[in-house]
Amino acid sequence: QVQLQQWGAGLLKPSETLSLTCAVYGGSFSGYYWSWIRQPPGKGLEWIGEINHSGSTNFNPSLMSRVTISVDTPKNQFSLKLSSVTAADTAVYYCARTIQVWSHTSYYYYMDFWGKGTTVTVSS
Amino acid sequence: DIQMTQSPSFLSASVGDRVTITCRASQTISHCLNWYQQKPGKAPRLLIYAASSLQSGVPSRFSGSGSGTDFTLTISSLQPDDFATYYCQQTYNSPRTFGQGTKLE
Repeated sequence: QVQLQQWGAGLLKPSETLSLTCAVYGGSFSGYYWSWIRQPPGKGLEWIGEINHSGSTNFNPSLMSRVTISVDTPKNQFSLKLSSVTAADTAVYYCARTIQVWSHTSYYYYMDFWGKGTTVTVSS
Repeated sequence: DIQMTQSPSFLSASVGDRVTITCRASQTISHCLNWYQQKPGKAPRLLIYAASSLQSGVPSRFSGSGSGTDFTLTISSLQPDDFATYYCQQTYNSPRTFGQGTKLE
């Protein structure tokens, strides 16, 4: 059974850099995309970005200037860094495995395994 | 960005009811639509991918349909464990946007 275990600092001050890591257990690391999603308190889900095992990335344009997603394939881990955080970045951050499938004329994607989430609070 | 609009935002239902949640995309997304279930304090759970494919381990009372811009999630007979918030997500384009959620209560 695939498991995603995530960790990182939970309390940040404004202007600091958020740093989270997600480790993948129980399955192949190659052949998938690996995603980050966040959820502000009481709100919906926001897709942050994704990376595959070879380092190819896609980002949400609204966060692109501040986001770095990296991968450490030998360790089956991937990481998120978000710079210059503000209170608006306070959220639960999730990592997830993303499957990419080619179907006729386009790819489609879906996130089948998720980490438990890390609560990140930005406060002075 | 492709905007995803779910309706209704809140839905009151009873055990045994047939429930339908709708998701509309601001432009055509083919069949690139997923449905997730989320309970308080938990990570989302994949229910349906590619508009109508049931994820392994998900009860058959859940079904999805639609293509293009209009999609539905149906629960054929609501069970106590189904009271949760449901999100649709398009993956036709990046960013892979979510609907605002439908809280089933």
